[in-house]
Amino acid sequence: DTGVSQNPRHKITKRGQNVTFRCDPISEHNRLYWYRQTLGQGPEFLTYFQNEAQLEKSRLLSDRFSAERPKGSFSTLEIQRTEQGDSAMYLCASSSNSPLHFGNGTRLTVT
Amino acid sequence: DQQVKQNSPSLSVQEGRISILNCDYTNSMFDYFLWYKKYPAEGPTFLISISSIKDKNEDGRFTVFLNKSAKHLSLHIVPSQPGDSAVYFCAASFGSARQLTFGSGTQLTVLP
Repeated sequence: DTGVSQNPRHKITKRGQNVTFRCDPISEHNRLYWYRQTLGQGPEFLTYFQNEAQLEKSRLLSDRFSAERPKGSFSTLEIQRTEQGDSAMYLCASSSNSPLHFGNGTRLTVT
Repeated sequence: DQQVKQNSPSLSVQEGRISILNCDYTNSMFDYFLWYKKYPAEGPTFLISISSIKDKNEDGRFTVFLNKSAKHLSLHIVPSQPGDSAVYFCAASFGSARQLTFGSGTQLTVLP
C-alpha cells in the first residue's frame, strides 16, 4: 500500500498529557498537510510543509501544537498539555502538484 | 467566517436517479475547486476537481459545474448507486500552497 499512513489510529489520553502523532506521506510527494476534523464539520487546515520547511500555519494552531518534518519525509504533530477541546480526528495529507491524498487519520480523545 | 458552505447536511435519492450536491463560496480568490468523498473511519478521497477557467468537468458518472458569478458549484452523480452513499465535501483553494478550505459536508444516502 503506497497511500498516506497515520499512526496511531486511535489515541485516548488524559487532560494535561502530551501526545504525538506520526504521518508517512506518499514517498514522492513533497508537500505535507495536517488538518483537524470535528464532528459535523469539514477538515480544517492546521499547517503545511514543502519538503522539510514549514511554510504556513493556521491561527488554529496554538502554541501547544508543534509539527515537524525532518528530512522532508515523515511528519509528527505534537500536542502538549492536551485539553478536552483537542478531541478530534487529525488528518494528514500529501501531494505533489496533485489533489491532496489523505490518510485515515488519528482519532484523539482527551478525557 | 465560513468561506465554503454546504447548506444541506443530508440528501437521500433513489438508486438510478440523479444526485445533486451543492456548494457556495465567498472568497473570490479561490481558483480551484474539488469534491471529496468520505466513508466512515476513512480519510477523504479525491473525486473530481475543476479549475476556475472552466465551467464544467466530467468524469464518468460524476460532473462538476462551476458558476463563478454566483460563486456556486455543484456535483452531479448520475446514475446514483448505493455505493455512492458517503459524506461529500466541497473544497476550494488558491495560491501555490494549494491548502484546501472545506465545507461542512453533505451526507448522501442512495436508497436501493
